[in-house]
Amino acid sequence: DGGITQSPKYLFRKEGQNVTLSCEQNLNHDAMYWYRQDPGQGLRLIYYSQIVNDFQKGDIAEGYSVSREKKESFPLTVTSAQKNPTAFYLCASSIGRGRRNTEAFFGQGTRLTVV
Amino acid sequence: EDQVTQSPEALRLQEGESSSLNCSYTVSGLRGLFWYRQDPGKGPEFLFTLYSAGEEKEKERLKATLTKKESFLHITAPKPEDSATYLCAVHQLITQGGSEKLVFGKGTKLTVNP
Repeated sequence: DGGITQSPKYLFRKEGQNVTLSCEQNLNHDAMYWYRQDPGQGLRLIYYSQIVNDFQKGDIAEGYSVSREKKESFPLTVTSAQKNPTAFYLCASSIGRGRRNTEAFFGQGTRLTVV
Repeated sequence: EDQVTQSPEALRLQEGESSSLNCSYTVSGLRGLFWYRQDPGKGPEFLFTLYSAGEEKEKERLKATLTKKESFLHITAPKPEDSATYLCAVHQLITQGGSEKLVFGKGTKLTVNP
């Protein structure tokens, strides 16, 4: 089955720790995205990547970092600089720039809690 | 500022009571408008894509329409299993750099009572 896999489903972080959220897709999509969802805020874009080895900051990139070394993978690191990391994180992918059928498909999310 | 606004924030319906959800947008460089359904604790599930004014898409009890400034998600004779948050997103072309991104509204939480 083609799809997007996020892991882990639940993650607990201590103050001052960096944690990495995994996102893998086997849809052969070029574009990948990371969103953060908080109650009442909707989805806010953290980082996005149109192609391997290239990514851009979204609206709330501070305290986060990403890499795109492979087409299938787009991991997100939540660093200790992120002051309020507790949230629901969603990864998505779409076919890519300049093409039709550009809808994004989402993983099932990772819920990160600071303890 | 580019915006996507959904209304109402929350909607309660009785089973069988039809209604509509609204998504208005003011983004430039629109390349598509998408509707998603999201259940609690899960990722959004794709429903529809609309590309041009006048376009309509249907799936079971849902019908999405698009004008130049807004989209509607019509729900006909809803059932309790239609209860979810419905999200609207626009696919925006960013002229500087030629990149593209999705901008989401905050969603409408729909509750259908039996």
